[in-house]
Amino acid sequence: GNSVTQMEGPVTLSEEAFLTINCTYTATGYPSLFWYVQYPGEGLQLLLKATKADDKGSNKGFEATYRKETTSFHLEKGSVQVSDSAVYFCALMPDTGRRALTFGSGTRLQVQP
Amino acid sequence: DAGITQSPRHKVTETGTPVTLRCHQTENHRYMYWYRQDPGHGLRLIHYSYGVKDTDKGEVSDGYSVSRSKTEDFLLTLESATSSQTSVYFCAISEEGIPEAFFGQGTRLTVV
Repeated sequence: GNSVTQMEGPVTLSEEAFLTINCTYTATGYPSLFWYVQYPGEGLQLLLKATKADDKGSNKGFEATYRKETTSFHLEKGSVQVSDSAVYFCALMPDTGRRALTFGSGTRLQVQP
Repeated sequence: DAGITQSPRHKVTETGTPVTLRCHQTENHRYMYWYRQDPGHGLRLIHYSYGVKDTDKGEVSDGYSVSRSKTEDFLLTLESATSSQTSVYFCAISEEGIPEAFFGQGTRLTVV
């Protein structure tokens, strides 16, 4: 079946540091890949997406590139802010079979001033 | 924001009682989902629906049932609540041709 593995947290960074959160997946075919963000007490918001190999999703300074050869979709940001503190979830939507998101376990990011 | 409303937003209930959570959408999307969120597990699919009266089980469906009698409403019922069902429950919707899903604000359920 489909699965998503992302790095354990929490990740603690100082403001303006570089961020990488690793995500790898297992799926047949060509799934779409996503990063969702959850701020404290809120639901999940779509942060960025990529629907085919070599696509780069980007939003609010965050980027992730769909790497089919390494089955990865790592999240990066060049300079984090305190307001980026949240839980980040990597997810996939398969292109065949059951149309439902499969999530990683989430990574909590804490950015200190 | 996608028009998704979950109710109630918070609920405390006793072990053994039935509980129904409601998800209402105004987007006319075909697919609706119920997930639960637990520490260390991310979000796990309980049930989903691919149309009115068309539902299927997810990976953690034991102890839960669903119904969808109208496009806009998807109900999740805990037939006899247990402490292991204490969780945050999220509803989501999606549509053909749109790769992502959109989420409601969540319902925090505590079973005591």
